[in-house]
Amino acid sequence: DAGVIQSPRHEVTEMGQEVTLRCKPISGHDYLFWYRQTMMRGLELLIYFNNNVPIDDSGMPEDRFSAKMPNASFSTLKIQPSEPRDSAVYFCASSAPGKQAKNIQYFGAGTRLSVL
Amino acid sequence: GENVEQHPSTLSVQEGDSAVIKCTYSDSASNYFPWYKQELGKGPQLIIDIRSNVGEKKDQRIAVTLNKTAKHFSLHITETQPEDSAVYFCAACETSYDKVIFGPGTSLSVIP
Repeated sequence: DAGVIQSPRHEVTEMGQEVTLRCKPISGHDYLFWYRQTMMRGLELLIYFNNNVPIDDSGMPEDRFSAKMPNASFSTLKIQPSEPRDSAVYFCASSAPGKQAKNIQYFGAGTRLSVL
Repeated sequence: GENVEQHPSTLSVQEGDSAVIKCTYSDSASNYFPWYKQELGKGPQLIIDIRSNVGEKKDQRIAVTLNKTAKHFSLHITETQPEDSAVYFCAACETSYDKVIFGPGTSLSVIP
């Protein structure tokens, strides 16, 4: 398997623009997580899905952020409108704790977002 | 909910020396403790883990210890090498189908 695939790897946009980050989890994994990483706040869990259903979105900073998982092989994280404070590295991770008997998370390479 | 603390936040060691990173957790229901390594420009990757029914686990130069009574667990890296330089995250969770709670991370620098 190619692992968790995120796109784009880098995104530079201007304040107020819509940004869409994409993630393809590992085939067969039933959990998908979105994280944000900054120097100040470390690795923050934004939202996670189980079998395409959002389970906990308490980490989503505000209404400008939304996430969807239309099927088992694709998820998006959208920011609209974007602000400079959204600049961070966004990671997607997937896991299959029922199959692995332990909760190992497999991370993608991340999307580095810069909002000017 | 679970809260994981991690110390130190930064650590510099000479090549060949040992490095120790310590973590504490708050939820006594947590029973699975993974450690992740994040290299520059990459996502975190699992390097070792330990379950609550085990006090110590070793994998070559890396070892983890767990004190469930005190809710402490530690990562020990012996004979450090420059390629060990990275950010290390401890984490805690239940082995049920739940999220993993990560510590804030330790930036380890191994000086040649």
